[in-house]
Amino acid sequence: GESVGLHLPTLSVQEGDNSIINCAYSNSASDYFIWYKQESGKGPQFIIDIRSNMDKRQGQRVTVLLNKTVKHLSLQIAATQPGDSAVYFCAETLAFASKLTFGTGTRLQVTL
Amino acid sequence: EAQVTQNPRYLITVTGKKLTVTCSQNMNHEYMSWYRQDPGLGLRQIYYSMNVEVTDKGDVPEGYKVSRKEKRNFPLILESPSPNQTSLYFCASSSQRERVNTQYFGPGTRLTVL
Repeated sequence: GESVGLHLPTLSVQEGDNSIINCAYSNSASDYFIWYKQESGKGPQFIIDIRSNMDKRQGQRVTVLLNKTVKHLSLQIAATQPGDSAVYFCAETLAFASKLTFGTGTRLQVTL
Repeated sequence: EAQVTQNPRYLITVTGKKLTVTCSQNMNHEYMSWYRQDPGLGLRQIYYSMNVEVTDKGDVPEGYKVSRKEKRNFPLILESPSPNQTSLYFCASSSQRERVNTQYFGPGTRLTVL
């Protein structure tokens, strides 16, 4: 999976700091937004999602914010750990069980 | 263990030689999908299937075929592969009884077409 990350924007964060990863989505009619994490050599893994009728949702150490006015999504990771190093993708979908459209991804590097 | 499996994991082939990448899930999921992942382009959906015998095109279906004869299997077929199909391929599945967005991804198949 390393070749997938060659052209990705990279965010470097020190261990223990908070990370904010941003995503601009394309379709104002999208119903669901999802964040995935992809570690090297693995498939994407679901992190958290949010519906279009919400503007914030919290999980364990992660928070997703949705701003529909500017079609912007963000993922906040609290107290970033080395295991958080990965490529993060946002995805949007129009309706239940319809196809997902993924963003191009951001690489998060956690420095010690 | 609940999982999505893909075979083969790595494949090098030549232009025009038909190939099939298999995908199988053991979670009784209705929804299955194929994606390709390329540098700078992220994940793009090729085909998806809402249930047995129900398939539909994603964003980049040209050059690919799929079938869904059984619930657990969703093979991806390249009838005449070309070098622009060199990519990393992922299969995914999810249940319509849960949130559709909780897609479980397989480990990936790296395909090189010479």
